[in-house]
Amino acid sequence: EAEVAQSPRYKITEKSQAVAFWCDPISGHATLYWYRQILGQGPELLVQFQDESVVDDSQLPKDRFSAERLKGVDSTLKIQPAELGDSAMYLCASSLSDRGTEAFFGQGTRLTVV
Amino acid sequence: ILNVEQSPQSLHVQEGDSTNFTCSFPSSNFYALHWYRWETAKSPEALFVMTLNGDEKKKGRISATLNTKEGYSYLYIKGSQPEDSATYLCAFRSGAGNNRKLIWGLGTSLAVNP
Repeated sequence: EAEVAQSPRYKITEKSQAVAFWCDPISGHATLYWYRQILGQGPELLVQFQDESVVDDSQLPKDRFSAERLKGVDSTLKIQPAELGDSAMYLCASSLSDRGTEAFFGQGTRLTVV
Repeated sequence: ILNVEQSPQSLHVQEGDSTNFTCSFPSSNFYALHWYRWETAKSPEALFVMTLNGDEKKKGRISATLNTKEGYSYLYIKGSQPEDSATYLCAFRSGAGNNRKLIWGLGTSLAVNP
């Protein structure tokens, strides 16, 4: 069964360091999402790609976060510099399109900033 | 501001009990309503994508209804089992303009005691 792959599963980093997460969506899925989930809250959309284009990054803290999906396939989310408040679960999801189709989630990356 | 609310926030039931939760969302510019189950240490799993007013969907012991005119959806679990213990999230997608972002509720955390 096709899955969304994310790595690493866990990451501990010191504040002010750079950290990067990788996501490989299900083959053929045009829409890719990066979410942040803080304990006790629902997922918060950070960035949404349609193929290689960003269609929504309104909640992305652009002074320190960046995301790219250069060939419209896999994607990288980077934080530089990391802050203590960035500790959270970072989830990647993909869907066939953005038109109401279900999203399939990866296992997530648990980030701890110390 | 689009707001999605879920109630109750948490629920403890005994094995065999039937239960239901509510998801409230804006009643205008409806496009789709998603339900997901998120078990601890796993990735969120799509349960239903609902698009039509009056829609009823069923998967095993879990079913959902949709009322887009009044802006709510119910998720029902019949004969709860310990393996149903999870956080149940709903997400609303607006049809307004080009905004296809999923707006997430905070979830209902269900614990089923054996």
